[in-house]
Amino acid sequence: QQQVKQSPQSLIVQKGGISIINCAYENTAFDYFPWYQQFPGKGPALLIAIRPDVSEKKEGRFTISFNKSAKQFSLHIMDSQPGDSATYFCAAKNAGGTSYGKLTFGQGTILTVHP
Amino acid sequence: DAGVTQSPTHLIKTRGQQVTLRCSPKSGHDTVSWYQQALGQGPQFIFQYYEEEERQRGNFPDRFSGHQFPNYSSELNVNALLLGDSALYLCASSLGPHSEQFFGPGTRLTVL
Repeated sequence: QQQVKQSPQSLIVQKGGISIINCAYENTAFDYFPWYQQFPGKGPALLIAIRPDVSEKKEGRFTISFNKSAKQFSLHIMDSQPGDSATYFCAAKNAGGTSYGKLTFGQGTILTVHP
Repeated sequence: DAGVTQSPTHLIKTRGQQVTLRCSPKSGHDTVSWYQQALGQGPQFIFQYYEEEERQRGNFPDRFSGHQFPNYSSELNVNALLLGDSALYLCASSLGPHSEQFFGPGTRLTVL
């Protein structure tokens, strides 16, 4: 019930293209959904996050789309650049519940953007 | 403004040994969470410390223990190391246990 399932495992996109990564969750108590970017040898860095009271949030080239009824959310990277090549993780948290400190992560997506 | 720092960067141990990893939170943060990231996987929550107490715990055995000091820094201890404990151990800090977590670069632990 605590799982977050992420797809695809890997993604190859041409420079300038759109990268789309999807996540699905089971626990309806989750109320905070962040996306993290991780480069080799580094810790995850927060990219963008959304709460379920909105269906979309955009920050620069990064957009989160959220579908509460389907229990799914996705990350869209517009105008993908080689510098975006990294591993991306979706995550979820029940910020107001008994496990408020625990982020539950997806399995990760390795994004490669070809020049 | 220093971010989250962790030491050591890399560590090699043998089965059965004990290890201590250290974390200094981002300036102004008072809460530390620890995660284990196996190769090719997402981070898994180990536990969270706030006000020098363990507040949350994930599905990890008692071999994993921790401590938080009055200056908010934290240690992760793992006893009786197993091969399966080989992973990147991440520390994340936040301002309070409910807030956004900022991750450090991690400690790569290899158990031989």
